[in-house]
Order: sequence, then structure tokens, then C-alpha cells
Amino acid sequence: GQQVMQIPQYQHVQEGEDFTTYCNSSTTLSNIQWYKQRPGGHPVFLIQLVKSGEVKKQKRLTFQFGEAKKNSSLHITATQTTDVGTYFCNTISNFGNEKLTFGTGTRLTIIP
Amino acid sequence: DAGITQSPRYKITETGRQVTLMCHQTWSHSYMFWYRQDLGHGLRLIYYSAAADITDKGEVPDGYVVSRSKTENFPLTLESATRSQTSVYFCASRETGYNSPLHFGNGTRLTVT
Repeated sequence: GQQVMQIPQYQHVQEGEDFTTYCNSSTTLSNIQWYKQRPGGHPVFLIQLVKSGEVKKQKRLTFQFGEAKKNSSLHITATQTTDVGTYFCNTISNFGNEKLTFGTGTRLTIIP
Repeated sequence: DAGITQSPRYKITETGRQVTLMCHQTWSHSYMFWYRQDLGHGLRLIYYSAAADITDKGEVPDGYVVSRSKTENFPLTLESATRSQTSVYFCASRETGYNSPLHFGNGTRLTVT
């Protein structure tokens, strides 16, 4: 079955430093979605990537989809305290299975 | 999102009791999902539904029952609660088409003593 690994599990950064989380799949993906969950909150959709090699930006956040469509990354430039939370990738394999698979998430904490 | 609500927000129950978690959405989304969230495991799919009267198992369905008689409601029942079912439960919905984003409710924190 499809396996999705997300690394790192935890990341502590000084405010102003950059942050990157990676999502790696054992199978080719149709698409990948990224979500953010603030402490005590619920996951909120950030963005979706569909095309091989796709890069999308949202202000300080850069999302990439690998050329082979098996991995993705989320990079935050110059982190701020508002970036605190857990970032999840959500994937669906090319087999068209409706059972989307979430990564285990990366919990980001910011040291002011 | 205001369009999907879960109740209760917090629930404490005893081992062996039946408990039902409610989920209601106002968007008329076809798909609805139940996830549980535990430290170190992320979000794991329990059950999902593609439409009224159509449900299917997810990754961790054992010990849970779902029904969907109406499009807007998707209750999750723990028939005989166990301590291992202590968790935060999230309901989500989306439009038809797997490219559609998931919209999550605020969650229910369930403690089984």
C-alpha cells in the first residue's frame, strides 16, 4: 500500500530562520495537498500541487512537487511566530484510490 | 470553517460505553471523512462516505461504526469504547473530485477512562 513519510517530525527554529519539511511517497502521486494545523486547532488547507516539477508560492511559503511526483517540500523563508503549528501533506496515489493518505506531520516551534 | 460542525467538543466516557460523535456540514459536499489524531501518528482515516448511504472503511475502522442517511450528517459511533480510542476526532468534507481540498471541523476530544 501507499506509504507517506514526512520529515522531520519536529523542528525548532529561531525566529527569522528558514524552515523546510519534506513529504516522500513510495508510489507515484496524482496530487499533493498541504495543510497547516495551529496548536489546539484543526487542519486548514494551504495549497495543492498537481503537475510534475510544479512550484507555487504564498508570500514566504514555497511549495514544490518533485519531477517524479513522489515527493514534495514546503519551505518557509524567515519564519515568524505566526508560522507555529504542524504542517501536513495529504496525498493520493496514481491508482485513483479515494483513500487520501496524510503524512505524519512536522511540528514547527519558533524560538523568539 | 463555519460550514462543518462537530459535537460535542469534549467528551469523557467509560470503557464499554457506546458514544456517538456528530458531524454536520452545510455545503452539501458529497464526501465526508472521519479521522483520528494521535501523537506520532498524524491523521488516520477511520471511515469515509462518498454520498448518502455509501460508506467505506479507511485505515483504522475497527471498533467504529458510521452511517449516512442524509448528505449533511455523518455520525461516528464507538459501539463499546476502549482506552485506545482516546483521541482527537476530526470530521472533514469535500466536493466531488479528489483534487478538492478537505474542510475540517473543530474536532472532538474524546477521553475513555
